[in-house]
Amino acid sequence: EVQLVQSGAEVKKPGESLKISCKGFGYNFANHWVGWVRQVPGKGLEWMGLIYPGDSDTRYSPSFQGHVTISADKSISTAYLQWSSLKASDTAMYYCARRAQGGYECDSWGQGTLVTVSS
Amino acid sequence: SSVLTQSPSVSVAPEQTARITCGSNTIGDKTVQWYQQKPGQAPVLVLYDDSARPSGIPERFSGSKSGSTATLSISRAEAGDEADYYCSVWDGTSDHHVIFGGGTKLTVL
Repeated sequence: EVQLVQSGAEVKKPGESLKISCKGFGYNFANHWVGWVRQVPGKGLEWMGLIYPGDSDTRYSPSFQGHVTISADKSISTAYLQWSSLKASDTAMYYCARRAQGGYECDSWGQGTLVTVSS
Repeated sequence: SSVLTQSPSVSVAPEQTARITCGSNTIGDKTVQWYQQKPGQAPVLVLYDDSARPSGIPERFSGSKSGSTATLSISRAEAGDEADYYCSVWDGTSDHHVIFGGGTKLTVL
């Protein structure tokens, strides 16, 4: 069974750094793009970017370029989303999702990581 | 890039057919995906390639596209279908960015 398991909820202060993770199970992690999606409480889904773990090819949505870093370690089937300096406006649920091989759909999603940034 | 327009809410009586639309003037040359998100849960893919169903998704869920509008239809609506539904396409210019609609909250009366 394909599964994406994300790291637990985080509470941080503005200006702090953070790295959250998404570990894949049940498939060849290196061969599927993994994307990140933000959802501010009560709002819709926003695409942040994605990475191909096989060669770490990374593409960012223009809205998030320069604000976050996406990375992956294929040896441990894990993708990451990190911030160097969090803002209160980064408070949101963050989901990772696997893009189907050869397709356009995100066919498996992580359970989400809630990030709360508050002083 | 595309903008996908969804009605904020749709209501349907049990056993009736709910139709959720997604509009864009560039949707005709893209494949559309639909995701269901129940409160407190991660999104789930319910349709891809405009009308294909992943395994485990009931046949009550169907999709169509005509002109500038894609439609998710849910026949014989059940209380368990209450959720937010998001349409999405991949950005034609880069093919690596997803564009989501604003979401439609489906209420089963």
